[in-house]
Amino acid sequence: NAGVTQTPKFQVLKTGQSMTLQCAQDMNHNSMYWYRQDPGMGLRLIYYSASEGTTDKGEVPNGYNVSRLNKREFSLRLESAAPSQTSVYFCASSVYRGDEQFFGPGTRLTVL
Amino acid sequence: GNSVTQMEGPVTLSEEAFLTINCTYTATGYPSLFWYVQYPGEGLQLLLKATKADDKGSNKGFEATYRKETTSFHLEKGSVQVSDSAVYFCALSDLSGGYNKLIFGAGTRLAVHP
Repeated sequence: NAGVTQTPKFQVLKTGQSMTLQCAQDMNHNSMYWYRQDPGMGLRLIYYSASEGTTDKGEVPNGYNVSRLNKREFSLRLESAAPSQTSVYFCASSVYRGDEQFFGPGTRLTVL
Repeated sequence: GNSVTQMEGPVTLSEEAFLTINCTYTATGYPSLFWYVQYPGEGLQLLLKATKADDKGSNKGFEATYRKETTSFHLEKGSVQVSDSAVYFCALSDLSGGYNKLIFGAGTRLAVHP
């Protein structure tokens, strides 16, 4: 099992550009999550998907959109990137709400 | 709201020293508690967890006990190794607000020297 995979690993954007971060899991998990990690702030939830076909906002959703394409895949889109979105983005998955979450390796995004 | 507070790092230790990383939480109800570890350039890995008061989670020589009376979940290891150098995150599961999330502390960087 590959677990949770994310692409790309690194990305540099200019302000106003758009991009999609991809995430996939092969553990047959129901729930998937997107977090951002900023220095001194731990991880903060952007969006989550409790099950296939549903998505909900987390703590810091502004400037992002998500798509739960199927049970395996959950993508995060930045429509118009801003320097404040420079961060490391982690995708995670879990079997049920409240269970431990399994994390991907992360995408390091820089917006100039 | 629910929150997690960790001791600030970095924590610098010599190999075979005793490790304690403090974690306290504020929560309504009885959340599950977790310790995650992040090695350089990698994602977070679950290190251990506890789901109710007085539970002790343990893994790879690390231990933490869910203390409801002191709202704490301190991480300990009796003898650290250079390979334990990483960032450690304390977290709790929050099911309030109608959705699930993990609330993380800010992380504590541990550096172990030979």
